[in-house]
Amino acid sequence: EVQLLESGGDLVQPGGSLRLSCAASGFTFSNYAMTWVRQAPGKGLEWVSSITDSGSSTKSADTVKGRFTISRDNSKNILYLQMNSLRDEDTAVYYCAKAYRDDRYSFDLWGQGTLVTVSS
Amino acid sequence: EIVLTQSPATLSLSPGEGATLSCRASQSVSAYLAWYQQKPGQAPRLLIYDATNRATGIPARFSGSGSGTDFTLTISSLEPEDFAVYYCQHRSSWPLTFGGGTKVEIK
Repeated sequence: EVQLLESGGDLVQPGGSLRLSCAASGFTFSNYAMTWVRQAPGKGLEWVSSITDSGSSTKSADTVKGRFTISRDNSKNILYLQMNSLRDEDTAVYYCAKAYRDDRYSFDLWGQGTLVTVSS
Repeated sequence: EIVLTQSPATLSLSPGEGATLSCRASQSVSAYLAWYQQKPGQAPRLLIYDATNRATGIPARFSGSGSGTDFTLTISSLEPEDFAVYYCQHRSSWPLTFGGGTKVEIK
């Protein structure tokens, strides 16, 4: 079955760190760019960070630049998001998403999401 | 940053009626625009990519049009399962951005 499965969401204090994972199955993971998108409670979708198929290039939103790092392990079919210096405004459901074709950044496969809550 | 403005914010319609959703970009995104549907508690679902192409498994009642700065998602005849929130998203340049969404609700 073609799917993405996120994990790692938790309750964390402001200033803390968390690492999210996204396990891919059912497709050739190394052929596709991948992306993290988040959604704050009751709000719309916000792009967070993207990585090319090989992992050689990454892009991140200004709101997370310098704090979040996207990476991937193509041997394990896993996408990661290392989140440091977390803030209240990072509270959201985090989705991983697959590019619909190689490095074309619209997303035809999404995980179910993992909730990150930043609160003291 | 390219800002995507969706209108209306809410559309109140009855099953069987047609729906027209708009997405306007602050500068040209060529045809690099996608539409998603999201239901409560679910992940978004890709409907249309590159402005006019239906994603795999998407019914023919969904269609997309437009290029440059003005785009439209049309649902020809609403089915009960179509009541949801719809987002547009561009991939023209970094940063990627999403529109604020249009909620299609049952009248």
